[in-house]
Amino acid sequence: GNSVTQMEGPVTLSEEAFLTINCTYTATGYPSLFWYVQYPGEGLQLLLKATKADDKGSNKGFEATYRKETTSFHLEKGSVQVSDSAVYFCALRGYGGSQGNLIFGKGTKLSVKP
Amino acid sequence: DAGVTQSPTHLIKTRGQQVTLRCSPKSGHDTVSWYQQALGQGPQFIFQYYEEEERQRGNFPDRFSGHQFPNYSSELNVNALLLGDSALYLCASTLAGGSGANVLTFGAGSRLTVL
Repeated sequence: GNSVTQMEGPVTLSEEAFLTINCTYTATGYPSLFWYVQYPGEGLQLLLKATKADDKGSNKGFEATYRKETTSFHLEKGSVQVSDSAVYFCALRGYGGSQGNLIFGKGTKLSVKP
Repeated sequence: DAGVTQSPTHLIKTRGQQVTLRCSPKSGHDTVSWYQQALGQGPQFIFQYYEEEERQRGNFPDRFSGHQFPNYSSELNVNALLLGDSALYLCASTLAGGSGANVLTFGAGSRLTVL
């Protein structure tokens, strides 16, 4: 079945450091891939998405590229800020799947220190 | 523009009891999905409602049931509560078809504690 694996947290970085959160997936066909962010006490917010191979999603300085050859969708940011502290979730929607049915990874907690 | 609203925010129940959680979708959305997020885990899909019918269901027992009303709001019911049902329950809405079809908008969740 479809699944998502993302790197274990927590990840602690200093402000302005480079961030990478690894995400790999298992799926048949061509899934759509997403990164969601969850700030304390809030719901999940879509950070970025990619719907086909080699697409790059980007938002708020974060980027992720859909790599079908390595079945990966790693999240990167060149210079993190304290306000980026949150839990990040990688997710996929199976090819032809319902838009409401996403499969999530376990999440990676990021803490950015001043 | 109000997003997805859920109630109650927190609640405590005892084993064997029943609970009802409520969700109002984002304005303009007609499809509601429910997720269970256990502590330290990612959300797991419970089911999705569209046109007042359950359209898709995840791997959850029949103790979990739902309803969607004509105004697109939704309820999640859990019967015979178990300790393992303690979790954050998330509601998400979207618009079937159209340019917004790929994006889910999540509520802040209802945190259920079963004692």
